[in-house]
Amino acid sequence: AQSVTQLGSHVSVSEGALVLLRCNYSSSVPPYLFWYVQYPNQGLQLLLKYTTGATLVKGINGFEAEFKKSETSFHLTKPSAHMSDAAEYFCAVSAATGGFKTIFGAGTRLFVKA
Amino acid sequence: GAGVSQSPSNKVTEKGKDVELRCDPISGHTALYWYRQSLGQGLEFLIYFQGNSAPDKSGLPSDRFSAERTGGSVSTLTIQRTQQEDSAVYLCASSRTSGSSGELFFGEGSRLTVL
Repeated sequence: AQSVTQLGSHVSVSEGALVLLRCNYSSSVPPYLFWYVQYPNQGLQLLLKYTTGATLVKGINGFEAEFKKSETSFHLTKPSAHMSDAAEYFCAVSAATGGFKTIFGAGTRLFVKA
Repeated sequence: GAGVSQSPSNKVTEKGKDVELRCDPISGHTALYWYRQSLGQGLEFLIYFQGNSAPDKSGLPSDRFSAERTGGSVSTLTIQRTQQEDSAVYLCASSRTSGSSGELFFGEGSRLTVL
């Protein structure tokens, strides 16, 4: 079965600073990996996803993530944080052995300080 | 509408009562999920419907929880004899295909409060 671990339930950065949200996954077969974002009082939406091919994936709002098989990681980064990035971020995994069932991590809440 | 629709958006009930939560997925989406979102608990997988296959019920927390999907479209999540620990936001999501890397489209959720 697949699983996801997000390190840090809360991350605080200053505006303009690097954003790094960590995600590690467990899967016995090649996984599909996702980051979803939930802005305050809004539903979840896809930020980016890795399926096959290029391991560096670019998403909306300047975010990107890199799939590192050797480290079983899919960390989310953004070079310069903006106040509007304050939200909760969820890493997710799906794979063939799980019938492509999508499993989410516990989430990381990002705070951006002025 | 074009998105996933959930109802009711808010439900307050008394302990021991039964509740039904409804999800209307995006037309043509074959995969449908129910998740539970509690404060600090992330998104807890409950159940997964994929096309005409038997649903994956491995996430249902107890036999008080059940779900069905009629005609491959609308789904109802039923919680019997509700308990206070059932209080949470119940999210429904659908996806275009059941066996791929499809993006999940989420509804706004049904917030359940059990008094």
